[in-house]
Order: sequence, then C-alpha cells, then structure tokens
Amino acid sequence: EIVLTQSPDTLSLSPGERATLSCRASQTVSSSYLAWYQLKPGQAPRLLIYAASSRATGIPDRFSGSASGTDFTLTINRLEPEDFAVYYCQQYGGSPRTFGQGTKVEIK
Amino acid sequence: EVQLVESGGGLVKPGGSLRLSCAASGFIFSSYSLNWVRQAPGKGLEWVSSISRSGSQIYYADSVKGRFTISRDDAKSSLFLQMNSLRVDDTAVYYCGSTPGNRAYWGQGTLVTVSS
Repeated sequence: EIVLTQSPDTLSLSPGERATLSCRASQTVSSSYLAWYQLKPGQAPRLLIYAASSRATGIPDRFSGSASGTDFTLTINRLEPEDFAVYYCQQYGGSPRTFGQGTKVEIK
Repeated sequence: EVQLVESGGGLVKPGGSLRLSCAASGFIFSSYSLNWVRQAPGKGLEWVSSISRSGSQIYYADSVKGRFTISRDDAKSSLFLQMNSLRVDDTAVYYCGSTPGNRAYWGQGTLVTVSS
C-alpha cells in the first residue's frame, strides 16, 4: 500500500499570499497518477489537479501541481477567500487508492 | 447541468445492511470509471471502492472487502454500493465520484450512521 504523507497539517495564511502544500509518497506512484482535491464542509469534493500537474476543467490557473520523484506539490498563488479549505492528495495508480491525511489552509 | 446525487443513507444498527445509490445526469456516465469515497466524522477522506468503465475491474479497501459490493447500471446512469455487516466505524458521509481526469464529477454525499 502506498502511504501518502501531507505537510504541513495546517497552513495559516492571509488572502493574496502563496500556499505551498506537500504530499510525499512512500513509493513510486504509477504514471504520476496523483490528484489533489479541495474539500469544504457540506460540499462535494472538488478535483483540482490530476496526473500530478494537469489542471481539471474549470480550475483557475492560480492552482498548479508539480512532481519530483515521490514528492508532489500543490501551489496556490494569490489565495482568494474561497480557497480556505482542506486539501487532500490521492494516488490512483493502483489499489488501494490512498489519500493523504489532508492539509487545512486557514485564514491567518 | 452535471449532477451526481447520492441516496440511501440513514441510521442502521451494527450488523445491518444498506444500499447506496448514485444517480448521474448531464454527462456520458458509461465513459467514466467510478468510485466511492467516505469521510468519517472529524476524519479525512478514505477511498472505499472503484469500478472500471466496463465493470470488469473492481477494487475495494481492505476495511470493506467481503462486506461491500460496488456495481453500476449504465442504462440507468447509476452507481451502487451494497453495504452488509455494517460496523460502527463505517459511520461516514459517502461520496460517489469519477476517477480523476480532465473532467471529474462528485456528489455531495449521503450520511450513513451505524449505531445501536
């Protein structure tokens, strides 16, 4: 089983700042099948990034993803008020399709 | 409008069964592999099960293997999760959604509470 470890657990930032979220995999993720989701209370999960660095349709370009080996990064440039939420990475290259434990981006 | 709407959640006693449904509209349902994911109270997301577009490839988390069964009916644009031998730690909001890709669709979830 691939274990995904996200850091930090909580990120306290102000609107307009840049958020950098990390997701480290315990082993190689097949074909970079790594996704990032945003989750807000009472709402559906929102897919932001798939295949490590491809933005899903309709996602603003302030969201970007990158990969280096088993390290994956989600960057949110110029945080908007609606970006404060919990973010999860997920690998979907094999079974089980594990999630990281989540990073909460909160308003400072 | 694209929609995925889960239903079938509710309160059930330990050892009981529930069948969740996920009704899709506004996109070509048969073109997508699909998933069930859950979030227990105060916890993070947990992947539960996946089914391929053809239905021939099915995967389960170890925590539900042998108790849950995923299925799909493309004619009705619906995804299902039959949950048997439910345990207290199955209590969660259950979401259905498509596998990550250029377009991805997720429902708002249905709450399953397992309690005596």
